[in-house]
Amino acid sequence: AQTVTQSQPEMSVQEAETVTLSCTYDTSESDYYLFWYKQPPSRQMILVIRQEAYKQQNATENRFSVNFQKAAKSFSLKISDSQLGDAAMYFCAYRSEGGGSNYKLTFGKGTLLTVNP
Amino acid sequence: DGGITQSPKYLFRKEGQNVTLSCEQNLNHDAMYWYRQDPGQGLRLIYYSQIVNDFQKGDIAEGYSVSREKKESFPLTVTSAQKNPTAFYLCASSPNSPISASTDTQYFGPGTRLTVL
Repeated sequence: AQTVTQSQPEMSVQEAETVTLSCTYDTSESDYYLFWYKQPPSRQMILVIRQEAYKQQNATENRFSVNFQKAAKSFSLKISDSQLGDAAMYFCAYRSEGGGSNYKLTFGKGTLLTVNP
Repeated sequence: DGGITQSPKYLFRKEGQNVTLSCEQNLNHDAMYWYRQDPGQGLRLIYYSQIVNDFQKGDIAEGYSVSREKKESFPLTVTSAQKNPTAFYLCASSPNSPISASTDTQYFGPGTRLTVL
């Protein structure tokens, strides 16, 4: 079974600065998808960014980018120019390629990000 | 607006009672999911459904039941057999496209907080 580990329970960053959240995962599969979700105080899960394992190029979405290291099974999230609205719990998630139960997402335990003004 | 709705936002239940959580989506997604979130934990999959009239158990299905009579709706019943039902429950949906699995990102509703008194 796949596992996802987020080793930083809490992180903090100054407004306008850059922060990197870590995520590692364990899998024997070669094709899969990785996600970062944000959960603000409202508790709704919001997709931040997605990475397909077969793509070598790191995904980017505006101020959010990832550093995907397939061999190391590492998938970190970099937030540039941090804003107060970025404060939230961030979850890393893994999904297998294919159908059936592979559709499920396996989540890490999350990293609580605080943004200081 | 397209999206996923969950109701109610807060729900209180007495021990020994069954209770049903609602999840509706108007995104025309085929697949729907129920996750449970406990403090300090990531999300864990309870049940999922890839098409109407079909659903599968996830990792923690004991004490829960679901139905999928309509594409738009995937209600979750928390039965009295669930030993520790107090948690935050999140519903999600995804296109479940057999043509392009890479677009099969899960989108989440706002959640229901269930408390057993």
